[in-house]
Amino acid sequence: IQMTQSPTTLSASVGDRVTLTCRASESINIWLAWYQQKPGKAPKLLIYKASSLESGVPSRFRGSGSGTEFTLTINSLQPDDFATYYCQQYQSHWRTFGQGTKVEVK
Amino acid sequence: QVQLQESGPGLLKPSGNLSLTCVVSGGSISSNYWWSWVRQSPGKGLEWIGEIFHTGSINYNPSLTGRLTISVDDSQNQLSLKLSSVTAADTAVYYCARHRGGAVPGLFDYWGQGTQVTVSS
Repeated sequence: IQMTQSPTTLSASVGDRVTLTCRASESINIWLAWYQQKPGKAPKLLIYKASSLESGVPSRFRGSGSGTEFTLTINSLQPDDFATYYCQQYQSHWRTFGQGTKVEVK
Repeated sequence: QVQLQESGPGLLKPSGNLSLTCVVSGGSISSNYWWSWVRQSPGKGLEWIGEIFHTGSINYNPSLTGRLTISVDDSQNQLSLKLSSVTAADTAVYYCARHRGGAVPGLFDYWGQGTQVTVSS
């Protein structure tokens, strides 16, 4: 299952609301996760089952979608949120990730 | 708190064999979790390599089947990866990760810090 994220890069300012998109090549129901990764660090789980917030993750992160279309919205972007975000499907035993969206300072 | 720590050779030559180890602390590798290897290269992003359950059930990325062996050692509380006939395309940071428990595995909730592997002559 191919995962496609858009945009590749997103320029934003602190306080902005940003929306990242992830599309699956076939239906994955709700078996989608979002991860945040900073340079030199491992990915960190943010959202699972498309819209469930991982414990300890700020409520400004919101996931939605099902089937083939998913979004990650970050409300009121904070300085710590500038990072790269990956979606990942776990519907199939062949786990696949999107290519990532980098959220950078405008 | 579960912690994972990868280790490996750092640098190896083309056509060589890669061996990586991931030591698990703060939890038993024999508990009801799946464990995976994931790699990240600049050209291909995050790529799932394969997964294993302590009973021996295994799933491999079809693109690597034939070169790949993943195993667990309950006595050492660690999992291992062996990849044969490496090329420059195998250059990446290699992570081990634990799957969250539940009916649908494949969600990675704990990750190691990663180990850089460079294939070069």
